[in-house]
Amino acid sequence: NAGVTQTPKFQVLKTGQSMTLQCAQDMNHNSMYWYRQDPGMGLRLIYYSASEGTTDKGEVPNGYNVSRLNKREFSLRLESAAPSQTSVYFCASSEAGQGRSGELFFGEGSRLTVL
Amino acid sequence: KNQVEQSPQSLIILEGKNCTLQCNYTVSPFSNLRWYKQDTGRGPVSLTIMTFSENTKSNGRYTATLDADTKQSSLHITASQLSDSASYICVVSANSGGSYIPTFGRGTSLIVHP
Repeated sequence: NAGVTQTPKFQVLKTGQSMTLQCAQDMNHNSMYWYRQDPGMGLRLIYYSASEGTTDKGEVPNGYNVSRLNKREFSLRLESAAPSQTSVYFCASSEAGQGRSGELFFGEGSRLTVL
Repeated sequence: KNQVEQSPQSLIILEGKNCTLQCNYTVSPFSNLRWYKQDTGRGPVSLTIMTFSENTKSNGRYTATLDADTKQSSLHITASQLSDSASYICVVSANSGGSYIPTFGRGTSLIVHP
């Protein structure tokens, strides 16, 4: 099984450019998440989708938008990239819900540099 | 506000030695606590899960403990190997109306030297 697949793995942008990070999971999970990881800060939640058709802001949503395209896919868009958005982005999914333990399954990460 | 604090921030040990990583949390209502291992350049992977009623759980050379009264957990690594070099992240989930809301610690960076 592929698990959680993110694309692209690496990207360099100029300030003001836009881009979309793609994420797909093949585990039939209801919940999907986007995190960013910065040195010394740990993983911080940007947006999450508890189920198909719903999205909610996390801890650091400013400058980002998301789309839950279907149950499998959850994309993250930077409309006007800023140097502060240089980070490693992780997509995750889980079978969180009533009676389920909520283990997060992560993708391999997308390393974004904004110049 | 839910918080998870980990210590130490970083740790260097010699191959074959044991070590213990600590996690203190203030998360309510508590549902479960997981330890994740994150290898350099990879996504985190779950090592163990602890629920309220569990005190100790082992996964090979990894043993996690949970004290729900003091809201502390530890991860003990026995006979360390070079492959144990990684970041270890404590994640505590609250159960809010059936949805699990995870709170992440900042991780402990472990380096195992030969």
